[in-house]
Amino acid sequence: EADIYQTPRYLVIGTGKKITLECSQTMGHDKMYWYQQDPGMELHLIHYSYGVNSTEKGDLSSESTVSRIRTEHFPLTLESARPSHTSQYLCASSEYFRLRGYTFGSGTRLTVV
Amino acid sequence: DAKTTQPNSMESNEEEPVHLPCNHSTISGTDYIHWYRQLPSQGPEYVIHGLTSNVNNRMASLAIAEDRKSSTLILHRATLRDAAVYYCILRETNFNKFYFGSGTKLNVKP
Repeated sequence: EADIYQTPRYLVIGTGKKITLECSQTMGHDKMYWYQQDPGMELHLIHYSYGVNSTEKGDLSSESTVSRIRTEHFPLTLESARPSHTSQYLCASSEYFRLRGYTFGSGTRLTVV
Repeated sequence: DAKTTQPNSMESNEEEPVHLPCNHSTISGTDYIHWYRQLPSQGPEYVIHGLTSNVNNRMASLAIAEDRKSSTLILHRATLRDAAVYYCILRETNFNKFYFGSGTKLNVKP
């Protein structure tokens, strides 16, 4: 039973389109993250947030942007999609002081044609 | 971020135990050792974590070396549903960013 939801699950879109990948969690977690993962490859952190109005860039440079206006919502936007953006995007959240770690969504598999 | 080293792949027979090793020679005293696994076409899921002592839960056991420079995830009886990529990760107590690495792809044979 997922407590963190990503939509859409799959997306095929044309070059130059603006897209927003949605991520919502119902656990009240302070911290949220976006990871990018190519098939069979490592996960790379591209954005994270420590709470409302907090956003930081991750270890992997990304042309995407994020916002955190509400605790439960952490959308990722690509202003102009390109084929190089084709990848899987995984959203995760964690509670500030809990050491257990992350809860991940099922991911959005994006294909830009 | 402190890094971990894992074998790229391992194979196991169904119903047999599996020992997945992880080396983390640069671990600091405050780093927790976390294990996640990623099933095909899904996001990673938490398996287990520990600091110094061995840990057990319903999914697996975690054995941590005395010097903490290595650890082993133990699946006591592998099933086909355990086929996944297993990630060993170090988590600093002051930070909340995980470095996932490439993990170990576990193949379970019937």
